[in-house]
Formats: sequence, C-alpha cells, structure tokens
Amino acid sequence: DAGITQSPRHKVTETGTPVTLRCHQTENHRYMYWYRQDPGHGLRLIHYSYGVKDTDKGEVSDGYSVSRSKTEDFLLTLESATSSQTSVYFCAISEGTGNTEAFFGQGTRLTVV
Amino acid sequence: QQQVKQSPQSLIVQKGGISIINCAYENTAFDYFPWYQQFPGKGPALLIAIRPDVSEKKEGRFTISFNKSAKQFSLHIMDSQPGDSATYFCAASIRGYQKVTFGTGTKLQVIP
Repeated sequence: DAGITQSPRHKVTETGTPVTLRCHQTENHRYMYWYRQDPGHGLRLIHYSYGVKDTDKGEVSDGYSVSRSKTEDFLLTLESATSSQTSVYFCAISEGTGNTEAFFGQGTRLTVV
Repeated sequence: QQQVKQSPQSLIVQKGGISIINCAYENTAFDYFPWYQQFPGKGPALLIAIRPDVSEKKEGRFTISFNKSAKQFSLHIMDSQPGDSATYFCAASIRGYQKVTFGTGTKLQVIP
C-alpha cells in the first residue's frame, strides 16, 4: 500500500459536535483528496488540495472544511456533525492531476448519532 | 456534465464466466478512464486505465473496451474467479484538472 494513513479508522460522534479526520502521507505527493463513499452514490469528492495551503471545493463540500499546513497532512473537519454525514471517508493522494493514478487510504467509518 | 453512469449496480457471475460492467459519460473533454477495484474494508485501488486514443486495453484477464462515438466504456473480466469479488468503480477525468468523477460502483460476486 502507498504510504497513506487515515486516523481514526472508526469514530462515533454526536450530532452538533465538531469532528476532524486526519490523512497523513509519506509519498510527498502534491495532490490530496477527501472523498465520501455512500451506497448508491459511489465516491464523491468533498475537497482537494494541490499544495500546502492550496485547497478547493469538490461536489459535496457543504458542512466540511479542510486544511493543509504541511505537504504530508490533510485534515478534514466537520464543523457541526449531522446524521447525513454518516459515511465512510477516504483520503487519496496523487502525484499529478486527474489523469494519473490515485492512491487511497484505508478509510474512516464515521457514525453521527 | 461531469456525470459518469455505471451499470449494473450488482452482478453475480459463475466462476469461469465473463463479468461485464458498463459506464457512460457525457463530457467529451474527458481523456482518461480508469477502473478501480475495492475489496471490503479497503480503499479503492487502480486496476486498469485507458485513454481515448485506443479502443481496447488488456491486462491479464481484465480488458477495457472504449467506444468514443457512443461515449461508453466497459470492463470485461474473463475467467472470473471468486477472488475477483469486489466493488468496481469506473471513473473519468481531464488532463490538467484535479477532479476525478467516479461512477456509482458495481458490486461483483463470483460464485464457485
């Protein structure tokens, strides 16, 4: 597996609380992504980063924010968790833009109760 | 339109049979079409990819067929094995852009 570590791997949180998921890479890849995976929806892009402090929104960014202060770390924050944000979250990295291979982490299963 | 439509949602194939998963897209600017394979509890991993300048790409038992005029591409798994049981995602992207658009996934089960 590519050097991608997501933490935590599982989390249960209450509605209204903030939650931060961490993605750490050891590959020195420029691009990092956060996706959510839901049945019937496949993988949907939340936010992505194309460099330190350079981030942009994906297709389902409402209720999420990200930060990238170092090349190796990309944080996803749910500002006030809702039940609709119960999902499996995947971090991915790539060396180049969209037409290069993306390497995915193992995922974080988040349950909002 | 950035959508990629994938079918079927689920597929059951006998061992040794051919598994076929289809995808269709609308944006003619897409120029890279990867397929990802995901086993339970794991992240997706690149299986095979094709660019629109070729109509077919084969890697072992896995083949992508690409029809540019119809804006469709498909994954064929020959001699399907129980170890191929996984979820498969087609995707599409544009050179120079970071975003990759994924299909909704096909859960394949290969039964002995």
